[in-house]
Amino acid sequence: EAQVTQNPRYLITVTGKKLTVTCSQNMNHEYMSWYRQDPGLGLRQIYYSMNVEVTDKGDVPEGYKVSRKEKRNFPLILESPSPNQTSLYFCASSFIGREREGYTFGSGTRLTVV
Amino acid sequence: GQSLEQPSEVTAVEGAIVQINCTYQTSGFYGLSWYQQHDGGAPTFLSYNALDGLEETGRFSSFLSRSDSYGYLLLQELQMKDSASYFCAVSGDNAGNMLTFGGGTRLMVKP
Repeated sequence: EAQVTQNPRYLITVTGKKLTVTCSQNMNHEYMSWYRQDPGLGLRQIYYSMNVEVTDKGDVPEGYKVSRKEKRNFPLILESPSPNQTSLYFCASSFIGREREGYTFGSGTRLTVV
Repeated sequence: GQSLEQPSEVTAVEGAIVQINCTYQTSGFYGLSWYQQHDGGAPTFLSYNALDGLEETGRFSSFLSRSDSYGYLLLQELQMKDSASYFCAVSGDNAGNMLTFGGGTRLMVKP
């Protein structure tokens, strides 16, 4: 089944404790992206990647890191999480140049930083 | 930069037709997309318009007017399962893949 897999689904952590949220897709998509979703603010892009070893900042990159060492994986790293990073996070992927097919989203990771 | 505006909430009755509007401001434009998200779920892709006019997919249609920087999603024969949030998203600036999302419209379908 074609899908984007995020782990974990839920995570509660303490301020300052480094964490990684994993994202993997099995559709051979070139493009991958991370979004955070907060009430009333819609989905805001954190980072995106056009292909392996090619990453760039989105609209809200502060406090986050990403890497794209393999085409299928795009982990999101919070080096020193803070309470304002409590949010619902989504990973998404797509083919470049095939906008009519849209993004495929993962199931989401609900992160709470205390 | 890019910004999108859509109503925060819309209510309609089962069987009716509802239109969710979206206006956008963007320095570059590739297309306007629509996504549906049920509570607790992931957004799922509904439609994409790159050119002016109406695109129909079953009970859902999406319209775009590039000159007015405006689009809408039309849902016909509403069903209870259509209760969800709907997001418009514009791709522009750097590449067709990069999407900026609106704040979402929560649709409540009543019996």
